[in-house]
Amino acid sequence: QVQLQESGPGLVKPSGTLFLTCAVSGDSITADTFWSWVRQTPGKGLDWIGEIYHTDSTNYNPSLTTRVTLSLDRSKNQFSLRLTSVTAADTGVYFCARRFPYYGADVWGQGTTVTVSS
Amino acid sequence: EIVLTQSPGTLSLSPGERATLSCRAGQSVNNDYLAWYQQKPGQAPRLLIDGASRRATGIPDRFSGSGSGTDFTLTISTLEPEDFAVYYCQQYSRSPLTFGGGTKVEIK
Repeated sequence: QVQLQESGPGLVKPSGTLFLTCAVSGDSITADTFWSWVRQTPGKGLDWIGEIYHTDSTNYNPSLTTRVTLSLDRSKNQFSLRLTSVTAADTGVYFCARRFPYYGADVWGQGTTVTVSS
Repeated sequence: EIVLTQSPGTLSLSPGERATLSCRAGQSVNNDYLAWYQQKPGQAPRLLIDGASRRATGIPDRFSGSGSGTDFTLTISTLEPEDFAVYYCQQYSRSPLTFGGGTKVEIK
């Protein structure tokens, strides 16, 4: 059974950097797969942040591309999100997900809540 | 980017009724790379349909997807109590991937 688990600080100061990891079990991040991040701001819908392919190729939401970096850690079988210069608008629940090419995201983490506040 | 518009915003129905949800794309979704997700409060989204009409593993057959190009539909043939939730469409044919704004299916 494939499971994804997000982790990271629940509170980040404005102008700081958010760093989240997603630990993968039951699958290998080196498989032919996209590893994705999606967020949901309070009371709002889903916002695609970006995804990283097993080859390290990345695609980002244009609204975040100057601030976001996704990376793979093959030694730990996990992938990560780095978001710089955060503001209150970055507050929300962050989900990681698995997506095979040509398919929707079939496995999701439970989500982790991030609050940007001083 | 491909903008997805979902309608209606809220659908008020009773258990046993049929639900029809719409997702319209601002540009053609190539290869019908369109997915539907269900999300309940406090939970992650769950994949229901991808490829516009292919049910994901374990999804009951009362859920069906149809459509092509720019117009897609999710149909729930007979609403069960556990189906009251928010539903999102997503296109994955072109980066950036985009979601629709969601349709809330609530109990009437």
